[in-house]
Amino acid sequence: SYELTQPPSVSVSPGQTARITCSGDALPKKFAYWFQQKSGQAPVLVIYEDSKRPSGIPERFSGSSSGTMATLTVSGAQVEDEADYYCYSTDSSGNYGVFGGGTKLTVL
Amino acid sequence: QVQLQQWGAGLLKPSETLSLTCAVYGGSFNDYYWTWIRQPPGKGLEWIGEINHTGSTKSSPSLKSRVTMSVDTSKNQFSLKLSSVTAADTAMYYCEGNHDALDFWGQGTMVTVSA
Repeated sequence: SYELTQPPSVSVSPGQTARITCSGDALPKKFAYWFQQKSGQAPVLVIYEDSKRPSGIPERFSGSSSGTMATLTVSGAQVEDEADYYCYSTDSSGNYGVFGGGTKLTVL
Repeated sequence: QVQLQQWGAGLLKPSETLSLTCAVYGGSFNDYYWTWIRQPPGKGLEWIGEINHTGSTKSSPSLKSRVTMSVDTSKNQFSLKLSSVTAADTAMYYCEGNHDALDFWGQGTMVTVSA
């Protein structure tokens, strides 16, 4: 079945830019979504439809997609951005959803 | 503001059926896709399936044979049943509603499968 691949971890210093990638064969045709999950909490949507930001999400969060790779960028990462980040999309036919394996972002 | 409240049995024996229900408060029930997602302890998110207000469903291929989802529009509720559970089904189960930029999650239900 369809898979989305993320790096297990990304580490940056406060104020630096963090980039988290998500690769999948159907991404040229299907939107990517990004969720942030802090320890012990339910996930929160931070990017939808590749690059759109929901209301209330800081501007430092941005998304892009090119070919088979989607990217979540956190510009000027802050300590409070430390969390697990998951990409989500669907198979090429839109028959089912899939999450990436998750990326632990460390900011220190 | 949409709120989701979920409930169901938290401890099951192998071979039993997991049953969870999620009630939706606020918003327009018909506008959203209603989804079930689970997360085993210490692991990542797994998409289980999705249902809309008409009862149209989509399920993960790996769980499709064991998953039943239903919707009750008169009560603004949707439900999940997962049959023949094993220890591998032990996880936090979340209900979720999404519509464009809007995305809301239930509080989660920890389901443990143990003999």
